[in-house]
Amino acid sequence: EVQLVESGGGLVQPGRSLRLSCVASGFTFDDYAMHWVRQPPGKGLEWVSGISWNSGRIAYADSVKGRFTISRDSAKNSLYLQMNSLRAEDSALYYCAKGMDYNDLGPWFDYWGQGTLVTVSS
Amino acid sequence: QSVLTQPPSASGTPGQRVTISCSGSSSNIGGNYVYWFHQLPGTAPKLLIYRNNQRPSGVPDRFSGSKSGTSASLAISGLRSEDEADYYCAAWDDSLSGHVVFGGGTQLTVL
Repeated sequence: EVQLVESGGGLVQPGRSLRLSCVASGFTFDDYAMHWVRQPPGKGLEWVSGISWNSGRIAYADSVKGRFTISRDSAKNSLYLQMNSLRAEDSALYYCAKGMDYNDLGPWFDYWGQGTLVTVSS
Repeated sequence: QSVLTQPPSASGTPGQRVTISCSGSSSNIGGNYVYWFHQLPGTAPKLLIYRNNQRPSGVPDRFSGSKSGTSASLAISGLRSEDEADYYCAAWDDSLSGHVVFGGGTQLTVL
């Protein structure tokens, strides 16, 4: 059974940093691209970033480019999102999502985690 | 303002057929596959349609997707109360350095 479990969310002040993690199980982690998608409370979905199987392809939404860094560790079957210079508008439920291709970063997200909540407030 | 445009709401009665539209441009829907997700309240999104019109295993054939030019549609036939959810379209966008774009979402109400 595929499982994606996010962690690392919490309350953080504007300008500070936070690192999200997503532990994957139930599939060969190295074979698939992975993504972060966020959803502000009561609002729609926004794609944040995606990374290919070998980290050779990485893409970011313009809203986070230069502030967020996506990475993955195959030894730990884990996906990460380092979030720096956080802003109030980054407050959202952050989902980890599995892609269906190893290199294509399109939105073929066949499994999603339950999300971890990030609140940016002073 | 989302890059892909969806109607904010849609509704239908049980048994009816409803369609949800998704409008984009040549850099996203016009040149790439469209995907559809639905999200029940308090739960994670779930893939409904991939590559314009393909259904993952387990998704009923009541759900169908289509694409024409820079627009796409999701059709739900034989509407059921459990179809009441938020629906999102998504596509890869080739502009800038490439990124994924979502529609703003359509809240479907089963009357």
